[in-house]
Amino acid sequence: GAVVSQHPSRVICKSGTSVKIECRSLDFQATTMFWYRQFPKQSLMLMATSNEGSKATYEQGVEKDKFLINHASLTLSTLTVTSAHPEDSSFYICSARPLTGGGEKLFFGSGTQLSVL
Amino acid sequence: LAKTTQPISMDSYEGQEVNITCSHNNIATNDYITWYQQFPSQGPRFIIQGYKTKVTNEVASLFIPADRKSSTLSLPRVSLSDTAVYYCLVGPYSGNTPLVFGKGTRLSVIA
Repeated sequence: GAVVSQHPSRVICKSGTSVKIECRSLDFQATTMFWYRQFPKQSLMLMATSNEGSKATYEQGVEKDKFLINHASLTLSTLTVTSAHPEDSSFYICSARPLTGGGEKLFFGSGTQLSVL
Repeated sequence: LAKTTQPISMDSYEGQEVNITCSHNNIATNDYITWYQQFPSQGPRFIIQGYKTKVTNEVASLFIPADRKSSTLSLPRVSLSDTAVYYCLVGPYSGNTPLVFGKGTRLSVIA
């Protein structure tokens, strides 16, 4: 089946630094990828929709200048948490839907646990 | 996007069949029903998807009545490893529309 690879799986950083998370579709192309965040014991919350070759679409309440999204190719989207603070500590998950074949399914990465000290 | 309602939690003994029902009264004509499973600190994993009637695969069955306002995920003979959160999502077949997660159902399987 389709695989979405997310890296790193876990990152610890100091407050004020920036962290980049990569999301790759390994065996399919995706013009659109989605980024979610999840706090402990809560559901996934959609942050933004990443569009290849264009600007991302952010959900209400998500700061676009803080969560920079770049979708440079049909297989790679990155999320950069800029000037991270402890309240940004969360589990970040990316997902993608294949362009063709299996397009009805959304495949998810394994997630990135971000801890900001 | 159609809102979904599921039980917050369920308990079951090993070997039993578990049925989790999801309500989605505002489902649209072009919406599919998809169920995902999530273990702690992992991304959601696709379980099954359907549009109407019954769908079965190697891990689960999905029952959808004619009015499509609800659906039931059936897990046969659960084991301890089925302890997870199960999400019912409703959305279009494809395109750029994301799936919005509800609260999910936390299933605990007891030995």
